[in-house]
Amino acid sequence: GDSVTQMEGPVTLSEEAFLTINCTYTATGYPSLFWYVQYPGEGLQLLLKATKADDKGSNKGFEATYRKETTSFHLEKGSVQVSDSAVYFCALTGMNSGGYQKVTFGTGTKLQVIP
Amino acid sequence: DAGVTQSPTHLIKTRGQQVTLRCSPKSGHDTVSWYQQALGQGPQFIFQYYEEEERQRGNFPDRFSGHQYPNYSSELNVNALLLGDSALYLCASSATFGGTDTQYFGPGTRLTVL
Repeated sequence: GDSVTQMEGPVTLSEEAFLTINCTYTATGYPSLFWYVQYPGEGLQLLLKATKADDKGSNKGFEATYRKETTSFHLEKGSVQVSDSAVYFCALTGMNSGGYQKVTFGTGTKLQVIP
Repeated sequence: DAGVTQSPTHLIKTRGQQVTLRCSPKSGHDTVSWYQQALGQGPQFIFQYYEEEERQRGNFPDRFSGHQYPNYSSELNVNALLLGDSALYLCASSATFGGTDTQYFGPGTRLTVL
C-alpha cells in the first residue's frame, strides 16, 4: 500500500537558518503530494501541494518539488522564523482498491525555531 | 467563505460512554473524511462519507460509526469509549468532482476519556 516516510524530529534551528525536511513516498500510479502544518493545539492547515512530476508547490516562503525519479517531496525554506515552529506533515493522495481517493500521512516532523 | 467547522472544541467523557462529534464541510465540498490523531502521531483515517454513505473505511472497530446529512454535514459517533480513544479528532472535506483532490481540515475536537 501507499506510505510516506518523513525525517524524524524534532528539528531545532536558529532564526534565519535554512530548513529542509525530507519526505519520500511509495505509491502506485500518480499521487498528488502535500505538506500540511499543525500549530500547537490546532488542526492541520494546507501549506502547499504538487499534482504532477516536476511541479513545485510554494507558499509563505516554503517550497517543495515533486521528484518522481527519487519519489521525494522535500520541504525547504530559505530563512525560518520563530513563528514557523510547528509540526509538518507530508501526505499523498492515492487511489485505493475501490477506486476512491485516500490520503496517507507521514508521522510528522516537529520544527522548533529559536531566536 | 467559512472553512471546515467542528464542534465541540473539547469534550471529556468517561469509559463506556458514547460521544457524537460534528463537522460542517467547506462550502462547495460534498465529501467528509474523519481522522483520529493521537498525541505525537500523524492522523489515522477512520472513514469517509459521500452522498450520505460510508464510501471507505480505515482500520477502526465498529464502535466508530458515522453519518452524513443531505447538507453534507457529518457526525462521528463512538460507542463504549475506551481510554485509548482519547485523541484529537479531525474532520476534512473535499470535492469529489472538480479536478481537485485536496482535503481541507477543521480545527479538530479534543476528546479526553477518563
